[in-house]
Amino acid sequence: DTGVSQNPRHKITKRGQNVTFRCDPISEHNRLYWYRQTLGQGPEFLTYFQNEAQLEKSRLLSDRFSAERPKGSFSTLEIQRTEQGDSAMYLCASSLYGRGQETQYFGPGTRLLVL
Amino acid sequence: QKEVEQNSGPLSVPEGAIASLNCTYSDRGSQSFFWYRQYSGKSPELIMFIYSNGDKEDGRFTAQLNKASQYVSLLIRDSQPSDSATYLCAMKTSYDKVIFGPGTSLSVIP
Repeated sequence: DTGVSQNPRHKITKRGQNVTFRCDPISEHNRLYWYRQTLGQGPEFLTYFQNEAQLEKSRLLSDRFSAERPKGSFSTLEIQRTEQGDSAMYLCASSLYGRGQETQYFGPGTRLLVL
Repeated sequence: QKEVEQNSGPLSVPEGAIASLNCTYSDRGSQSFFWYRQYSGKSPELIMFIYSNGDKEDGRFTAQLNKASQYVSLLIRDSQPSDSATYLCAMKTSYDKVIFGPGTSLSVIP
């Protein structure tokens, strides 16, 4: 088991472009979370999945953001019409829910810079 | 009121000393609490979790939970320069979501 992986690790884009990030969770984990983190702040919850079902989406998330986990394994996060304020580290975490204490394990993150 | 509060620091301690990191939370229904360490430019790494009142020890780390006071702390004994990082307190809320605090920056001075 290699842990949670994320791709790409870095993304530079121009304002108005669309970007898509991928997260591969730990294989037996049924929950997958997306967070956004800016400098000096803790991770901010965006959305999470249990298997393929998206259970919650932050009300802070505009409709430019969409996430999928089509087969209950990997997940993608898409940001349409990027804005400079979208520049941040996007973190994915996975966990095993329903068997004892649920703990989240983070991937290395995707750092997005919108010019 | 923010759901999870931490002093942003920086907290500076000399090498070998005890570092004490504190966290308060607002949701009385929260059951599980976590401490993560985050090095600059890296992702958070789980150090410990605690869900019962009292102390939980793991090596040089001790987590303390007081649900009545809505207070969680992390003690790091024999602090090392490699402990210099940001420490994130997180809680699992009564509605099953994990909320993170802003983090406390710790600097261990050789």
